[in-house]
Amino acid sequence: EDKVVQSPLSLVVHEGDTVTLNCSYEVTNFRSLLWYKQEKKAPTFLFMLTSSGIEKKSGRLSSILDKKELSSILNITATQTGDSAIYLCAVPSGNTGKLIFGQGTTLQVKP
Amino acid sequence: DVKVTQSSRYLVKRTGEKVFLECVQDMDHENMFWYRQDPGLGLRLIYFSYDVKMKEKGDIPEGYSVSREKKERFSLILESASTNQTSMYLCASSSSLISLTYFGPGTRLTVL
Repeated sequence: EDKVVQSPLSLVVHEGDTVTLNCSYEVTNFRSLLWYKQEKKAPTFLFMLTSSGIEKKSGRLSSILDKKELSSILNITATQTGDSAIYLCAVPSGNTGKLIFGQGTTLQVKP
Repeated sequence: DVKVTQSSRYLVKRTGEKVFLECVQDMDHENMFWYRQDPGLGLRLIYFSYDVKMKEKGDIPEGYSVSREKKERFSLILESASTNQTSMYLCASSSSLISLTYFGPGTRLTVL
């Protein structure tokens, strides 16, 4: 059965800290891995990763995929209170594009 | 800009009522999905559709049905709402070519 597991489930840090969120997956016919950020509304897209070892970057956020280890990390440097959110990792399953989600990591950044 | 819209942001219904949640996307996407999100359980797939009039059960279809009569519209139906269906419902869509999935704003349903 396809599975996505995220760790930690929750994290509390102070502004300026750097955080690393983890995502591991077991999926047949892997094609891509997606990261989303969810505040008090719908998830918004952050990154789509398809190739191993190539870092994707957007401002203070970056992510990389390791197909050998079947995992991905999401890094946030110099965290701000606006980074407080649930971070979701998802992998498409099957041919229909349905996403298998991890449980999410709830990040709280304190001032 | 991709847009996925849902008919209501907040909804309060009584046990036993029939509930319709509507979702519309404007990107001509083939795939549409209904998820529910509960604290500690993450997003769970209820139903999805990969073409008009086609539907597939997700992980938790019990108590729900869906309808896709037009490509842009995917409806979730609770035939007889129960209190354990109180949740956040998220609609999503994607194209068949890439798996990038876009989400609607969500409907927070409370069943009393």
